[in-house]
Amino acid sequence: AQKVTQAQTEISVVEKEDVTLDCVYETRDTTYYLFWYKQPPSGELVFLIRRNSFDEQNEISGRYSWNFQKSTSSFNFTITASQVVDSAVYFCALLTSGAGSYQLTFGKGTKLSVIP
Amino acid sequence: SQTIHQWPATLVQPVGSPLSLECTVEGTSNPNLYWYRQAAGRGLQLLFYSVGIGQISSEVPQNLSASRPQDRQFILSSKKLLLSDSGFYLCAWSVRASGNTDTQYFGPGTRLTVL
Repeated sequence: AQKVTQAQTEISVVEKEDVTLDCVYETRDTTYYLFWYKQPPSGELVFLIRRNSFDEQNEISGRYSWNFQKSTSSFNFTITASQVVDSAVYFCALLTSGAGSYQLTFGKGTKLSVIP
Repeated sequence: SQTIHQWPATLVQPVGSPLSLECTVEGTSNPNLYWYRQAAGRGLQLLFYSVGIGQISSEVPQNLSASRPQDRQFILSSKKLLLSDSGFYLCAWSVRASGNTDTQYFGPGTRLTVL
């Protein structure tokens, strides 16, 4: 069975601080895909990044960076110099490639509040 | 570019009333389509997915049903709503050619309150 754990329920930071959101996953599949989504107050889930299990390169996109470590089954997300617009709930999710498996397994989300 | 629409955006319904939520996708053909529910304070749960017209798979048994009358249209229905059906319903799509491993893109959601 697949499982995604986001241990941080809520985080508050002051604007311009860096913040890291943790994600730990469990799967027995050797091929899988990891995702981060952002859910602002409007409710829509916005896709941020996708990472394949066979690609452990870290990625940076502007103020966002992701650290994928298979050895610890973690896929952490760092926001550098946070801004008020970053306030949202962030979800980590796992998708396996097993036949007939179409379900994204989501963590429970981390609510990030950036205080001006 | 692809766009996904959902309506209504907000809905308040009495217990026992019927439900119909609609989702349409523009800018792509033959997508996989999905219905998720996000209950208050909980994560997202897949309810149904569809790989083609008339093809519906249910992940969680409940009093909801789904239909796909057209390639880019996905409908979530209920004959009699329960209080426990309240939540935020999200439709999503992905590229079918990639099987089940492509990224899922979500719509704006429908917030349903059953009173």
